[in-house]
Amino acid sequence: GAGVSQSPSNKVTEKGKDVELRCDPISGHTALYWYRQSLGQGLEFLIYFQGNSAPDKSGLPSDRFSAERTGGSVSTLTIQRTQQEDSAVYLCASSLGTESAHTQYFGPGTRLTVL
Amino acid sequence: AQSVAQPEDQVNVAEGNPLTVKCTYSVSGNPYLFWYVQYPNRGLQFLLKYITGDNLVKGSYGFEAEFNKSQTSFHLKKPSALVSDSALYFCAVRVDTGRRALTFGSGTRLQVQP
Repeated sequence: GAGVSQSPSNKVTEKGKDVELRCDPISGHTALYWYRQSLGQGLEFLIYFQGNSAPDKSGLPSDRFSAERTGGSVSTLTIQRTQQEDSAVYLCASSLGTESAHTQYFGPGTRLTVL
Repeated sequence: AQSVAQPEDQVNVAEGNPLTVKCTYSVSGNPYLFWYVQYPNRGLQFLLKYITGDNLVKGSYGFEAEFNKSQTSFHLKKPSALVSDSALYFCAVRVDTGRRALTFGSGTRLQVQP
């Protein structure tokens, strides 16, 4: 079956603009995660969804970052008023939502460059 | 708080030789431990995990890892390295209850020379 897909694969934007990044999880996976990979900070957790709700938003770095998930499937990560420090690869992962489903499967990522 | 340390930025090994990539962790509670591999311009690919049971776990592409509770380590190993194993390797941890987010180490670049 298809893996996690993300779009766009690359996004270049100007400082101050808003961007939306999309994630399509593996079919049937109710848990969805966003992470960020940057040179300075390594791999950081951003937010976790179980179904359409987000019980853990503790990794969102500022109120410019938000995410939603609709229909228990696709998720969108929105960054408002982008800053240069937002430049990173944004990775999405999904897993079965049960307690015993431990493995997170990652998508290819979206490389965001803020000029 | 939980953390993962990968003390080596890079590991160099000759093709055919055994390889080890080191990982130590710190969590409050029982750990779930993972290894992922990242090839250039690709996402993270799952290799193996330790949840419970046998301390030696086997994963994809001939890799294995040993969970050592007393040393809080989870080193990745392979008996015979291939040039195609050259990639960036990440160790990750989460606790068995509560928070599901993974905490990752800083990554170790494995370079296998022909």
